[in-house]
Amino acid sequence: DAKTTQPPSMDCAEGRAANLPCNHSTISGNEYVYWYRQIHSQGPQYIIHGLKNNETNEMASLIITEDRKSSTLILPHATLRDTAVYYCIVRNRNQGGKLIFGQGTELSVKP
Amino acid sequence: DAGVIQSPRHEVTEMGQEVTLRCKPISGHNSLFWYRQTMMRGLELLIYFNNNVPIDDSGMPEDRFSAKMPNASFSTLKIQPSEPRDSAVYFCASSLGQGYGQPQHFGDGTRLSIL
Repeated sequence: DAKTTQPPSMDCAEGRAANLPCNHSTISGNEYVYWYRQIHSQGPQYIIHGLKNNETNEMASLIITEDRKSSTLILPHATLRDTAVYYCIVRNRNQGGKLIFGQGTELSVKP
Repeated sequence: DAGVIQSPRHEVTEMGQEVTLRCKPISGHNSLFWYRQTMMRGLELLIYFNNNVPIDDSGMPEDRFSAKMPNASFSTLKIQPSEPRDSAVYFCASSLGQGYGQPQHFGDGTRLSIL
């Protein structure tokens, strides 16, 4: 299963874009990239996922490089409520329903 | 729309007691997952069901843990007898299908403390 590497922590100024990187250099062609976040004392929250193409929804954008070895989650206008741990997860069919969470990136949005 | 609902939100009990955690998945979702989160091990999958049938229980720590899904709208995770090392936050999640292209949606968890 592909592993992911994320920086342990990042800061972002309120109102600015937060760009969270994820390296998944061993990803294979049929593996999806998922992003979740966990705000303190809450359950993980699904943000976005993609396979090859860039994706955008009301929460964020996901940019996947052409070789698929890395991706970036973009929160276009970070607010204080976006302070959370962000998890990048690579998921393949062999895992069935399993999501394997790593350590994630702790994003602190500062006023 | 109602999300995944877990109860109780907090449970404190003494070692040796039976503990039952409950989960109501999102209506229409046919896959249900139980996860456990601790500082030491992070978030790990315990068991998941598809169409009320257990598919993978390899993450269940030992025979003291059992999970059931009697119908599409309810699941329980039971620990009997409980031990202090079972203290953790237990999350339930549901998804539309177990396929790897389907996102899982989590409840807010049950914080369990075994004294």
